[in-house]
Amino acid sequence: GAGVSQSPRYKVAKRGQDVALRCDPISGHVSLFWYQQALGQGPEFLTYFQNEAQLDKSGLPSDRFFAERPEGSVSTLKIQRTQQEDSAVYLCASSLGGLWAGAEIRSYNEQFFGPGTRLTVL
Amino acid sequence: AQRVTQPEKLLSVFKGAPVELKCNYSYSGSPELFWYVQYSRQRLQLLLRHISRESIKGFTADLNKGETSFHLKKPFAQEEDSAMYYCALDKDGGFKTIFGAGTRLFVKA
Repeated sequence: GAGVSQSPRYKVAKRGQDVALRCDPISGHVSLFWYQQALGQGPEFLTYFQNEAQLDKSGLPSDRFFAERPEGSVSTLKIQRTQQEDSAVYLCASSLGGLWAGAEIRSYNEQFFGPGTRLTVL
Repeated sequence: AQRVTQPEKLLSVFKGAPVELKCNYSYSGSPELFWYVQYSRQRLQLLLRHISRESIKGFTADLNKGETSFHLKKPFAQEEDSAMYYCALDKDGGFKTIFGAGTRLFVKA
């Protein structure tokens, strides 16, 4: 079956432009994650969705970043008024399970990563 | 603050030599530790996690809570092991994964 897909694979934006990055998770996967990976660094957590609910957005670097997953499947990461420091690879990952309300320990589910979108802001 | 440190950016070994990729973490709770790997032109993928205590592609990793380490080891490196390796930590009861900066392993023929 198809894995996680992301589009576009490459995006060049002029400073100040708005961009939208799309993630198609594996069908049926409850959890969806967005990461930002700067050159020479590991992925950094941005936000987490369980179905359509955004349970954690603490990693979003500024209010210019916005993510949504309105129907609990496809997700879009939007960056407004892009800056040069936004240049990075944006990774999306999905996993089958999720964090259930009230659960103290999360059952780990493997995250499956997409190929990433390389954003370059000029 | 939670942190994962991989002190080596690049590790170069000869084929057949032992390899150890170092990972140290700081977290006061009971973390879950993982190693992820990214081969050239491929996606980031899970290699192994400490709670499964399994050996994947000949790699093993032992969680040492006293030294807060989770080093990845393989007794005999192969050329196909050349890749980028990331150590990662999941906070107890959470869903944020914290990654280290990565170590590039290069296995020479």
